Amino acid sequence: QVQLVQSGPEAKKPGASVKVSCKTSGYTFMSYGINWVRQAPGQGPEWMGWISTYNGNTNYAQKFQGRVAMTTDTSTSTVYMELRSLRSDDTAVYFCARGGMLAFGGVRMDVWGQGTTVTVSS
Amino acid sequence: EIVLTQSPGTLSLSPGERATLSCRASQSVTNSFLAWYQQKPGQAPRLLIYGASSRATGIPDRFSGSGSGTDFTLTISRLEPEDFAVYYCHQYAGSPPLTFGGGTKVEIK
Repeated sequence: QVQLVQSGPEAKKPGASVKVSCKTSGYTFMSYGINWVRQAPGQGPEWMGWISTYNGNTNYAQKFQGRVAMTTDTSTSTVYMELRSLRSDDTAVYFCARGGMLAFGGVRMDVWGQGTTVTVSS
Repeated sequence: EIVLTQSPGTLSLSPGERATLSCRASQSVTNSFLAWYQQKPGQAPRLLIYGASSRATGIPDRFSGSGSGTDFTLTISRLEPEDFAVYYCHQYAGSPPLTFGGGTKVEIK
């Protein structure tokens, strides 16, 4: 079955970086892009950006531009999201979700990873 | 940026009752690229409805979506115990950023 399995929880200090992985299985990796969505405690989801697993194109939400990088490893069908210069308000659960192959828009996020808790605290 | 406003914030109902959730967009959602998700504590969002009115795979027919333009509705015809959760609307049209509503909590009365 289609699955997205994310890496485990992370605890980081302010100013550090975190890299979260999302390993896919059960479908053709390059047929779907991956979105990253985060959810702060008690808040609604927030879209961070998207990467095409077909050609590596990315589209990041303006709020995260300059601080986020999304990459793929086709040999392991895994997508990575790195967030730099962490602040306390980056504390959230980070989800990967399957989406469009060539564009972030117009394609629903139909399968989600289980989430990775990132805690930023001094 | 398309802002999605959900109402009410909380809906207190009994099992068997009908739930009607609203999602209003600050501008028209292209091609009705509007989805609804259900989320339970400690879990990822689960896709219920996409394209404003199409049920996702495996979703019971008591869930239905309607609307277009700026006004959308999720209806749960008869609440089952497992339906008590938080529901989010989400627009996935082509202009970034993709956005989510603030959520409606459906709680047991």
